[in-house]
Amino acid sequence: AQSVTQLGSHVSVSEGALVLLRCNYSSSVPPYLFWYVQYPNQGLQLLLKYTTGATLVKGINGFEAEFKKSETSFHLTKPSAHMSDAAEYFCAVSDTGTASKLTFGTGTRLQVTL
Amino acid sequence: KAGVTQTPRYLIKTRGQQVTLSCSPISGHRSVSWYQQTPGQGLQFLFEYFSETQRNKGNFPGRFSGRQFSNSRSEMNVSTLELGDSALYLCASRNRVTDTQYFGPGTRLTVL
Repeated sequence: AQSVTQLGSHVSVSEGALVLLRCNYSSSVPPYLFWYVQYPNQGLQLLLKYTTGATLVKGINGFEAEFKKSETSFHLTKPSAHMSDAAEYFCAVSDTGTASKLTFGTGTRLQVTL
Repeated sequence: KAGVTQTPRYLIKTRGQQVTLSCSPISGHRSVSWYQQTPGQGLQFLFEYFSETQRNKGNFPGRFSGRQFSNSRSEMNVSTLELGDSALYLCASRNRVTDTQYFGPGTRLTVL
């Protein structure tokens, strides 16, 4: 069975600073990995996904993530935080070979301060 | 293209009642999944439907059921509601070509 661990339930950064949200996964098969963002009272929006191929994945809003098999990690980064990035971020894994039946991490709430 | 729509957006029920939630996927998407989001358990997969057939199922009791219609719209039903069923229920439709899942805004169910 697959699982996801997100280190840090709350992360606070200054506007303009680097954003780093950590995600480690466990999967018995090659995983599909995802990052989603959730704004208050809204559903989930896909930021980026890794399926196969290039291990550095670029997503929307300047976010990117790197799949590191040796470290079983898929950390999310953004070079410069913006106030509008404040939200909750979820890492997810699928071991079905598709984007279905996702197992989510517990989420990281990102706070961006002036 | 319209996104995933869920109705109703908010619902209040009492213990023991049953509830039906509806989800209309993005046009052309035939795969629909349901997830439950609670502060304590986080986001958990309920089930997935494709072409009116349940393809995957999560670890939820039989009180939780779903179905999909020929137009790909899906409903989920929860019978004999318990306080712990209070949650945000999210529906997602999947584009099987790009293998990308899109989530709706959710239905917030409160059980009193």
